[in-house]
Formats: sequence, structure tokens, C-alpha cells
Amino acid sequence: NAGVTQTPKFQVLKTGQSMTLQCAQDMNHNSMYWYRQDPGMGLRLIYYSASEGTTDKGEVPNGYNVSRLNKREFSLRLESAAPSQTSVYFCASTPRTGGNYGYTFGSGTRLTVV
Amino acid sequence: KNQVEQSPQSLIILEGKNCTLQCNYTVSPFSNLRWYKQDTGRGPVSLTIMTFSENTKSNGRYTATLDADTKQSSLHITASQLSDSASYICVVSYGSGNTGKLIFGQGTTLQVKP
Repeated sequence: NAGVTQTPKFQVLKTGQSMTLQCAQDMNHNSMYWYRQDPGMGLRLIYYSASEGTTDKGEVPNGYNVSRLNKREFSLRLESAAPSQTSVYFCASTPRTGGNYGYTFGSGTRLTVV
Repeated sequence: KNQVEQSPQSLIILEGKNCTLQCNYTVSPFSNLRWYKQDTGRGPVSLTIMTFSENTKSNGRYTATLDADTKQSSLHITASQLSDSASYICVVSYGSGNTGKLIFGQGTTLQVKP
């Protein structure tokens, strides 16, 4: 089982460029999440999708947009990248929202904005 | 303010030795606490989960403890192996049902040397 698959694994952008990070899960989970991980800090929630057709802001949504394309796929878009968005981005999924489920994470996308 | 603090920030031990990682939290209302292992370049993977009524949980050489009164948890690793080199993240869930949320600690980086 693939679990949660993220693409690309690495990306370098120039300030002002746009890009979309892709995420897909094959576990039939309803809920999906985007986190960013920065040195010395815990993972912070950017956006989440409780179920297909819904999306909600997390702790640090500014500068990002998301699309829940279908039950399997949840993408994260940076419209105009800034150096402050240099980070490692993780997609995760759970059967449903709430804290009672273990999260399955993807392997991450390491993004550098120069 | 809901917070999760881990200590130490980093740790180096020799192969075969034991070690203990700490997690202190100020979260309310507490739901559960998980420890995740994150290998370099990978996403976090769940090791253990404990609810309010549980004070110890084992997963092979990993044993987690929880003291809900003092709001402290520890992760004890026995007979360390080189493959234990990773970041260990404490994650506390608060709230209930579908509205439950997570707070991630900043992690403890463990290096096991031969």
C-alpha cells in the first residue's frame, strides 16, 4: 500500500513564482491535511479538508490555497512564493477529523524559495 | 495557552544504551497523547497512543508513560539501535469528537552512535 504520496519531493522557486504541491491517499480516508515543518518548531497546520468538498483554514493559512479535487487528492497552491515559505511540507490523512485517529503522513516536499 | 514542550532538544547516545525523552504539555481538555518517530527525509510515523486513563504503553523497545496529573509524558527507548536515530515528536490532542485538534511538540533529535 502506498499510503500518502506527495509530489514533488524537492522544489526550488524564485520569489513570486507559483506552484502546486500534490497529495494523494489510497486508504479511503475522509480527512486530509497540509502541514509545514520548520526548524525548531512543531508541525503547523496550514489547511485541512474534513471531507470531500470542504476545506478549512488551519493555524497558518496566509499565502496558501487548497483544493480537494476528490476523495483521494488534496493539493496545496502557493500563488506568489515568498522566502518565508521555505519549509518542508507534509500532507496527512485520517479516516475522519478529530484527535482520535492516528495520522498517516506523506514523505514531504522540501521547498526552497530564493 | 495550549503548548507542548519537549526535552532535550537533541541527544547523542551509544548503541545499546537506554534513553528517555520528555514531553510536558499544557492542553485542555486533554484527549490523547501520541509519540511519533520521524526518520530523516520522511514523514512522522505513530509509535504509541495513550488516553487519559492509560499510564503506560509499549511498542517493542519503545515504552511511553503518561502522568495526566502533572501533564508529563516520557518515551523510553531500551537497548538503542542505530536505526533509532531519528526525531521523536510528542503530539497532544485536545477537544472532543470531530472538533478535536492537535498540537505538535518541536521534537527531540536522537543520534545513536556505534
